[in-house]
Amino acid sequence: NAGVTQTPKFQVLKTGQSMTLQCAQDMNHNSMYWYRQDPGMGLRLIYYSASEGTTDKGEVPNGYNVSRLNKREFSLRLESAAPSQTSVYFCASSLDRSSYEQYFGPGTRLTVT
Amino acid sequence: GENVEQHPSTLSVQEGDSAVIKCTYSDSASNYFPWYKQELGKGPQLIIDIRSNVGEKKDQRIAVTLNKTAKHFSLHITETQPEDSAVYFCAALKQGYSTLTFGKGTMLLVSP
Repeated sequence: NAGVTQTPKFQVLKTGQSMTLQCAQDMNHNSMYWYRQDPGMGLRLIYYSASEGTTDKGEVPNGYNVSRLNKREFSLRLESAAPSQTSVYFCASSLDRSSYEQYFGPGTRLTVT
Repeated sequence: GENVEQHPSTLSVQEGDSAVIKCTYSDSASNYFPWYKQELGKGPQLIIDIRSNVGEKKDQRIAVTLNKTAKHFSLHITETQPEDSAVYFCAALKQGYSTLTFGKGTMLLVSP
């Protein structure tokens, strides 16, 4: 079991460029999440998918879009990157919305210049 | 919405000492309180959690206590070791919701 995997590990973008962060889990989990982590700010939820076919906004959704491609995969897209989106992005999954325990991937470090 | 405050932001202890990290939450409907450990360059990892129907939970050298009346919960690490050095996050989840609200983290440094 690889758990939660994320690609890429590192990325540098110029302002205005677009990119998609990929996340996949092999634990047969129903719920998936995208967080960003900034120094001194902890982890903030961007979007989540409680189950395949559904997505909902979290605390900081502006500038992002998500796609729950299938039960395993949940991608995060930046359509027009801004320096304020420089951050470390984590994907997580949980069995379902009532099981509570979340398992995190290793993260993607994104720099927007 | 829920608000989680975590203190201290940094904590330095000597190997073998105990470490305590405290969190408060604002929403009395929250009923699940996990603690995550994040090592440098890695994702957060769940180390212990507690639900609102118990006041204390222990797993070897780590324990979590919950005071629902005061709306605060704490992580206790005894006999600290250098490998305990990491950033620790507390979080809270409200019953009926699937999203966690995290504290801002505590950097724990254990010196040999």
